[in-house]
Amino acid sequence: GENVEQHPSTLSVQEGDSAVIKCTYSDSASNYFPWYKQELGKRPQLIIDIRSNVGEKKDQRIAVTLNKTAKHFSLHITETQPEDSAVYFCASNQAGTALIFGKGTTLSVSS
Amino acid sequence: GAGVSQSPRYKVAKRGQDVALRCDPISGHVSLFWYQQALGQGPEFLTYFQNEAQLDKSGLPSDRFFAERPEGSVSTLKIQRTQQEDSAVYLCASSFRGGSNTGELFFGEGSRLTVL
Repeated sequence: GENVEQHPSTLSVQEGDSAVIKCTYSDSASNYFPWYKQELGKRPQLIIDIRSNVGEKKDQRIAVTLNKTAKHFSLHITETQPEDSAVYFCASNQAGTALIFGKGTTLSVSS
Repeated sequence: GAGVSQSPRYKVAKRGQDVALRCDPISGHVSLFWYQQALGQGPEFLTYFQNEAQLDKSGLPSDRFFAERPEGSVSTLKIQRTQQEDSAVYLCASSFRGGSNTGELFFGEGSRLTVL
């Protein structure tokens, strides 16, 4: 089955800096790669996703890149703000299967 | 309702007790998923329904765990003879799509189970 590795587990940045979180996956058949944000005590919420037919997707300050050959994908947050502080999870799956999540990255943005 | 609803939000059980956790997905959502989230960890997949059919239960950790969705809407996750290692937040998520394209998952607030 699919296995998703995520790193780093914790990331501290200064407000305005960029943050990058990386994930690798094991199943070459995986074709959907979302990122979820979970604030303390809250439910995970989708922030951006990418499918295997594109290499990059951007939505304002966040972007995701995908390298299918290397089986890794990354989340990029630019101009970080204190409200970006949360736990971020990557996930992947293929058609008809459940999403498998990474273990999460705790992002702390200090002002 | 407007979102995925789970109950109870908090449950304290003595070791050996049975518990039942309920999930009300968003109306019309085809797919329903249960995940277990231990403190400081990512959601771990338990089981997945498409309508009333349980398509994958490979993540259920033991035969003490049982899930059902008899009418393709509300789902119940039952844990028999609870153990301390069952303590976790149990997240339910639903998705409008089924089949080959699951799409965005909408999560509930979770049910926090503490086994003493």
